[in-house]
Amino acid sequence: EAQVTQNPRYLITVTGKKLTVTCSQNMNHEYMSWYRQDPGLGLRQIYYSMNVEVTDKGDVPEGYKVSRKEKRNFPLILESPSPNQTSLYFCASSLNRQGRQFFGPGTRLTVL
Amino acid sequence: GENVEQHPSTLSVQEGDSAVIKCTYSDSASNYFPWYKQELGKRPQLIIDIRSNVGEKKDQRIAVTLNKTAKHFSLHITETQPEDSAVYFCAASRTNFGNEKLTFGTGTRLTIIP
Repeated sequence: EAQVTQNPRYLITVTGKKLTVTCSQNMNHEYMSWYRQDPGLGLRQIYYSMNVEVTDKGDVPEGYKVSRKEKRNFPLILESPSPNQTSLYFCASSLNRQGRQFFGPGTRLTVL
Repeated sequence: GENVEQHPSTLSVQEGDSAVIKCTYSDSASNYFPWYKQELGKRPQLIIDIRSNVGEKKDQRIAVTLNKTAKHFSLHITETQPEDSAVYFCAASRTNFGNEKLTFGTGTRLTIIP
């Protein structure tokens, strides 16, 4: 089944403890992206990747890192999480930059 | 950067009636305008999109119109059904019809009253 998966789906952590949220797609998509969703703010793009080893900042990249070593995976790294990074995170992918975006199921992160 | 405003924030319509959601954008270079639907507790899903070289696009009961001069675009849902109840997000991109640099509106919660 063609899909975008994220792990973990739920995470409660403490300030400063490094964490990684994984994103994987099995559709051989070139383009992948990370968003955060906060009440009243809609979706905001964190980082995106046009292909392997090609990444760029979205609108809210501060405090986040990404890597794209393989086509199928696009992990989101929080080196030192802070409470203002408490949010619902979505990964998305599309065949290419102009293709239809498919979203993962979301990861709800709470930073205490 | 781009700024996208979306109105109304909540909308209730009687089943069978039409619903219209409006968005305005600030960057005249924006040229790609997708609409996403997000049901409660679910992931966003693309329902329709429009590129700046056309003024209107229709897919069954949903349509999107674009006015580049006024810098606004709208989602129209006709003959609404209970399954249309969801939060709808508009977005705009200024990167040659691409998904990168997508700026989203703040969402409209649409409730269909049976």
